[in-house]
This record gives sequence, C-alpha cells and structure tokens, in this order.
Amino acid sequence: DQQVKQNSPSLSVQEGRISILNCDYTNSMFDYFLWYKKYPAEGPTFLISISSIKDKNEDGRFTVFLNKSAKHLSLHIVPSQPGDSAVYFCAAKIPPGYGGSQGNLIFGKGTKLSVKP
Amino acid sequence: DTGVSQNPRHKITKRGQNVTFRCDPISEHNRLYWYRQTLGQGPEFLTYFQNEAQLEKSRLLSDRFSAERPKGSFSTLEIQRTEQGDSAMYLCASSLGTGEDNQPQHFGDGTRLSIL
Repeated sequence: DQQVKQNSPSLSVQEGRISILNCDYTNSMFDYFLWYKKYPAEGPTFLISISSIKDKNEDGRFTVFLNKSAKHLSLHIVPSQPGDSAVYFCAAKIPPGYGGSQGNLIFGKGTKLSVKP
Repeated sequence: DTGVSQNPRHKITKRGQNVTFRCDPISEHNRLYWYRQTLGQGPEFLTYFQNEAQLEKSRLLSDRFSAERPKGSFSTLEIQRTEQGDSAMYLCASSLGTGEDNQPQHFGDGTRLSIL
C-alpha cells in the first residue's frame, strides 16, 4: 500500500510557464513533507519542505502548498526553466512516537518534468 | 565539495559475492541514512544512524545486509552473498538534528550495484 502517491509519471511544460507537480498521501500522521529533484546519475537534491502546521512555503521560484484536509500537496515552479527538467520526488515523514522515526522518509515514485525551450 | 560522498559509484559483481559500500556524510551531520532505489521507484528506507547508534532498520534489510557507523562519521553498508534482486542504486543521506525537529536529508550520488 503506497502511502505517498505521485499519479502523474510525466509532465511537459513550456519554458517560462508554471509547472505544477502534485502529490497525494494517505497517512494523516505525516508531519513533514519534502520535495527532491533528481537528475540522471545523481542523487536526489533537496528543494523545499513544509511542516504540517503550515499550508504554504516559498523559496524563490519554488512554492509548496499543503492541503491537509485533502491530503494533497503540490510544488509550483514559476517560471519554469529548461534546467528544471528532472524527476521530482515527493517525500513525507511520520513523527516519532506515531510509528515513525527521524529516519523514515517515505517517497513517491516521482514525476518526470520536461521543460521545453 | 562538502556534500555527501559515496564510493564506489558503480559496483559490478557476480552473484554470491560480498560487496561493501562507503558513505561519508556532511561533516557536521549527526544523522545518517541508507536507502535503496530501483528503476521507476522512489528511494526506500533501509536504516538510520544517530551518531554511531543504529536506531532503526527496515524490513527490507535482510540478514545479509549489515551497516555500521563505528565512530559516528562515515558509514559502510555490506551485502553478503549477493542475489540478483540486490541490483539497485544504494543511496546515503545525512542530516543535522536533535530531538524531534525536522531537518531535510541531503543525499549522495549513490552506488549503483549490478549483479551478474
């Protein structure tokens, strides 16, 4: 049973437009969410995170929105650039004492973003 | 480069052989994690250290797998009697934190294991 789901395997966007990557989760105990970007032959690179007590976090061109009632988060990239083309992973953590630990990040399967010039 | 370093980058071995991977975390990070990633999947958690103590192990970590972090700095992951199903990318990550604070994990570029 997958607790973190990224239902779109791929997304294609024109340079300069907005990219919206979506992630759904099933476990209401998740307290921390992260987005990672991964280029081929490299490890995942941390992009941005959000605590469950917030509904928005912004860092430059990247904004993450959290809708706890819908168990949904999204990553917005504005404006999109060709260098943003990569696989994006959503990850979530359960707090200690609720069946999780400081170690256990649960990842989605990723969405491949292609930004066309 | 002060990021997470993993060696080797690629390991090819015959089924049944033992392999060992090394991870050097970001120097001030007290937490270290191992994950495994297969094609089309996200990383899956294997085990976690805080300093030298191994605090959690996933069900994915069979008896053939062992991880150590003897001095609370670098870590090794050993797989004994490798099987075809062990072929994957093995990722190491580190983070800084105490208590229940949330800090992002920073990943290395991984070791790709190929079992012949």
